[in-house]
Amino acid sequence: SHELTQPSSVSVSPGQTATITCSGDVLGKKSVRWFQQKPGQAPVLVIYRDTERPSGIPERFSGSNSGTTVTLTISGAQVEDEADYYCYSATDNNRVFGGGTKLTVL
Amino acid sequence: EVQLVESGGGLVKPGGSVRLSCAASGFTFNSYGMNWVRQAPGRGLEWVSSLSSGDVYIHYADSVKGRFAISRDSAKNSLHLQMNSLRTEDTAVYYCMRGGYGDPEDLWGQGTLVTVSS
Repeated sequence: SHELTQPSSVSVSPGQTATITCSGDVLGKKSVRWFQQKPGQAPVLVIYRDTERPSGIPERFSGSNSGTTVTLTISGAQVEDEADYYCYSATDNNRVFGGGTKLTVL
Repeated sequence: EVQLVESGGGLVKPGGSVRLSCAASGFTFNSYGMNWVRQAPGRGLEWVSSLSSGDVYIHYADSVKGRFAISRDSAKNSLHLQMNSLRTEDTAVYYCMRGGYGDPEDLWGQGTLVTVSS
């Protein structure tokens, strides 16, 4: 099985850039998705294939991949972006989520 | 409307069984891979099982292999998860998720809570 490691928490002020990393050996070979989950709600896909943004997701959300570490960047974070963020990847026989990062915007 | 709606959760005793369902609407159900993901109270997301379009490939997390079975009813546009030999650590909200096997995982249901307790 493979593992994905995320920081447990990130904190920024409104308007600042939030950066959340996800690291794992498999990431050099497999793409990553990022999900946003607000309290009491189902997760929402915000980035797929490392860098692609689904329709309806604000342009301030972006993704990048530098080998075994991928990064979710929220440029000019808003108060409404406060949530838990999870990276997710799939190998041929396994899928795994990172442990999640709680983003605080205040 | 494109949506997934889970049902079937509830209270079950350790060692018991429960069958979850996920009703899909608004899209061509058979053309998509489908997944179950769970979240224990206050914890992170955990992948449980995946089923490819055409039911060609099926995958399970090690924690549920041999106890859970994923299936699709194409006639009823429904995804199921048969959960046997349940343990207290299986207590979680179970989400149905569309995608995988090359497609983005872009649609989730609202979840159904399974509580395993005596």
